[in-house]
Amino acid sequence: SQKIEQNSEALNIQEGKTATLTCNYTNYSPAYLQWYRQDPGRGPVFLLLIRENEKEKRKERLKVTFDTTLKQSLFHITASQPADSATYLCGGGSGNTGKLIFGQGTTLQVKP
Amino acid sequence: NAGVTQTPKFRILKIGQSMTLQCTQDMNHNYMYWYRQDPGMGLKLIYYSVGAGITDKGEVPNGYNVSRSTTEDFPLRLELAAPSQTSVYFCASSPSDRASTDTQYFGPGTRLTVL
Repeated sequence: SQKIEQNSEALNIQEGKTATLTCNYTNYSPAYLQWYRQDPGRGPVFLLLIRENEKEKRKERLKVTFDTTLKQSLFHITASQPADSATYLCGGGSGNTGKLIFGQGTTLQVKP
Repeated sequence: NAGVTQTPKFRILKIGQSMTLQCTQDMNHNYMYWYRQDPGMGLKLIYYSVGAGITDKGEVPNGYNVSRSTTEDFPLRLELAAPSQTSVYFCASSPSDRASTDTQYFGPGTRLTVL
């Protein structure tokens, strides 16, 4: 079945370092991947979208890549801050309905 | 704009009871979605709609029903609640303009417990 997988182990890093989160997909080819941030008790909030014909997208301290050969997207937060601590969700989409298949999310903890 | 609103925020149901989770968006989005999120898990799509009068099943539709009579509202109905339906439910909407980012805008969620 179509699947998106993220590292379920929490990622702990020191403030100021770059956080790198991984999203792998199997048994399908998403036309685009989206990254969302979710804080405890809240709904996900959109961060970035990257399409299959784009290698890299940037927004302020955020960077996302899309490697169709490795079937993987990497999400980077540079100069991380404690306020970046949250769960980050990767979702893959295709077709014209906007439906997304989500991974289980990776929790990032940035320590001061 | 209020965005996507969901009611109630919390609810406890007994096994076999029914309820409707309400979802309303004021962004004039054609696409709407219902997800459930179990602890430590990602979002699973229950049902979705691409416009008023049009609905379709997602990954986990069993035990749920939806309707979409207006662009703004997309209620989710649980019939004969079961403990397996204990979860946090999120409603989301998305513009259907292909020139947009296909971003989904999520509501704050409804936390449902079935005992």
